[in-house]
Amino acid sequence: SQTIHQWPATLVQPVGSPLSLECTVEGTSNPNLYWYRQAAGRGLQLLFYSVGIGQISSEVPQNLSASRPQDRQFILSSKKLLLSDSGFYLCAWTPDREAAYNEQFFGPGTRLTVL
Amino acid sequence: DQQVKQNSPSLSVQEGRISILNCDYTNSMFDYFLWYKKYPAEGPTFLISISSIKDKNEDGRFTVFLNKSAKHLSLHIVPSQPGDSAVYFCAASRQFTGGGNKLTFGTGTQLKVEL
Repeated sequence: SQTIHQWPATLVQPVGSPLSLECTVEGTSNPNLYWYRQAAGRGLQLLFYSVGIGQISSEVPQNLSASRPQDRQFILSSKKLLLSDSGFYLCAWTPDREAAYNEQFFGPGTRLTVL
Repeated sequence: DQQVKQNSPSLSVQEGRISILNCDYTNSMFDYFLWYKKYPAEGPTFLISISSIKDKNEDGRFTVFLNKSAKHLSLHIVPSQPGDSAVYFCAASRQFTGGGNKLTFGTGTQLKVEL
């Protein structure tokens, strides 16, 4: 069966510090990977998605970047955090299939607080 | 521009009764709709979905109804149980050209099932 991991679970960082959040998926090959953010009192917003190693698409302009150095690894980064980067960050995956696939499966999330 | 809306931030229902959660969307390009359940500090869990070519999908106690002309969908939970207490997110899916899909989420409805 497939499993998705995220770490750390919680993170408190000062403004201006760097960020690295990691997501890994087990039990599948060449998944589509996604980063979402949930700000307080709001729905989930898609930040980045990737259909393969080194292939990153950004949905919204922001202070963050993403990378996919390995098939089942997706990293969210920032060089200098802003207060507005606080939120709950979620990684998700879908299988790579020719037919359209809609259900995304989410990891446990990382709670980021920027002070 | 919020393309998926859940206008009720909270709903309280007695155990054994029906819970009805509502969702409206504005973009006709969405071709698939999903409901997710979320507990605090956890990632969303996929619950049930429906294709835009259908008007009803049922899975055990959960039924999703889609009214395309009204751009409205609803989730019915019958009978409601205390374990159903959670935040429910409606999401609409659109396929990316090169693979993968984007989920656009509503802001969620907090369901509380009381004894």
